[in-house]
Amino acid sequence: DIQMTQSPSSLSASVGDRVTITCRASQSISTYLNWYQQKPGKAPTFLIYAASNVQSGVPSRFSGSGSGTDFTLTISSLQPEDFATYYCQQSHSPPWTFGPGTKVDIQ
Amino acid sequence: EVQLVESGGGLVQPGGSLRLSCAASGFNFDDYAMHWVRQVPGKGLEWVSGISWNSGSLRFADSVMGRFTISRDNAKKSLFLQMRSLRPEDMALYYCVKDLGRDITLVTMHHWGQGTRVIVSS
Repeated sequence: DIQMTQSPSSLSASVGDRVTITCRASQSISTYLNWYQQKPGKAPTFLIYAASNVQSGVPSRFSGSGSGTDFTLTISSLQPEDFATYYCQQSHSPPWTFGPGTKVDIQ
Repeated sequence: EVQLVESGGGLVQPGGSLRLSCAASGFNFDDYAMHWVRQVPGKGLEWVSGISWNSGSLRFADSVMGRFTISRDNAKKSLFLQMRSLRPEDMALYYCVKDLGRDITLVTMHHWGQGTRVIVSS
């Protein structure tokens, strides 16, 4: 199975900050990497697919990059509604595994 | 608007069975693969099982292989998860998830329901 790790596990930031979250796969997954956002008490929502393609309707401050084993999710200017937990997920091969999540909270 | 509404969760004793259902609306159900993903409260996400658009391909996580069965009824726009021999570690919130594509390859979890809670306890 492909293991996914994320760093940091949590971070504190202020509105307007640039935030970067890293996701690493245990083997190369090309660009088969998705990102999701989950707010407390809510289901996850889909943000980015194939490492860098932002889902329609997702604000342009969200971006993704990377290939192979190392990926990043960047929020260019953090907004109040962005405080949440972010998960990466590899879509390369089954079982489709998620990272453990990165919680972004208010500093 | 895509809507996925899960039902069937509840309290079950270890070794018992439960059948989860998901009612889909707002999209052409028979054009998309579907999945079940679970989450222990306060913990991460675990993909459980997936089924292709025509039920031709099924996949399961090792943790549920041989105990869980996934099925769908395209005419009724419904997804099911039959769970048997339930264990305490199966206790979680179970989400019904619509894929971005038809097949269970390059799985991308496009839309999520709100989940149904499964409690396994004596």
